[in-house]
Amino acid sequence: SQKIEQNSEALNIQEGKTATLTCNYTNYSPAYLQWYRQDPGRGPVFLLLIRENEKEKRKERLKVTFDTTLKQSLFHITASQPADSATYLCALGEGYNKLIFGAGTRLAVHP
Amino acid sequence: NAGVTQTPKFRVLKTGQSMTLLCAQDMNHEYMYWYRQDPGMGLRLIHYSVGEGTTAKGEVPDGYNVSRLKKQNFLLGLESAAPSQTSVYFCASSSTTGNEKLFFGSGTQLSVL
Repeated sequence: SQKIEQNSEALNIQEGKTATLTCNYTNYSPAYLQWYRQDPGRGPVFLLLIRENEKEKRKERLKVTFDTTLKQSLFHITASQPADSATYLCALGEGYNKLIFGAGTRLAVHP
Repeated sequence: NAGVTQTPKFRVLKTGQSMTLLCAQDMNHEYMYWYRQDPGMGLRLIHYSVGEGTTAKGEVPDGYNVSRLKKQNFLLGLESAAPSQTSVYFCASSSTTGNEKLFFGSGTQLSVL
């Protein structure tokens, strides 16, 4: 069966450290993958998109990797801050109007 | 710039009642989507539209209907609400098929008693 797995348990890290979130998938062949941030009571906000032929993408303190052999994407936040605390969703894009979301991982950055 | 606006923000219905959720976007996007979000599950696509006057079923369309009479508006209707439809509903829009980013509204918390 098709599955997208993100850590269901919250990730707790200390301010200034690098947070690494994982998105694993099975039985999908995504053409691209997106990461979103969601704050409580708000809609998701787009962060980054990485395509299947790209290994890595960076934006400021954010870095995403995409390994189609391992069927995994890693999302890194360097020099994390308490303001980075939120739930992060990965979403696989298989093609025309087909974006499949993971359940998300909650990140808590402690001062 | 308002982006994507959803109304209402909260609603409580009794089983069997009907209601319509309204989504409006001011970005001139062609594509609009309705998702539901339940605890422990990813966002699931209910219906989507690729342009004015067109709609299509997503992953979980049963019990819902939609209409896109104007490009900027996308309505989600529940004809006879059921407790299983208790959820948070999000509308989103995008400028292309989904290779581009989705812009989400702030959501509607719906409880069906």
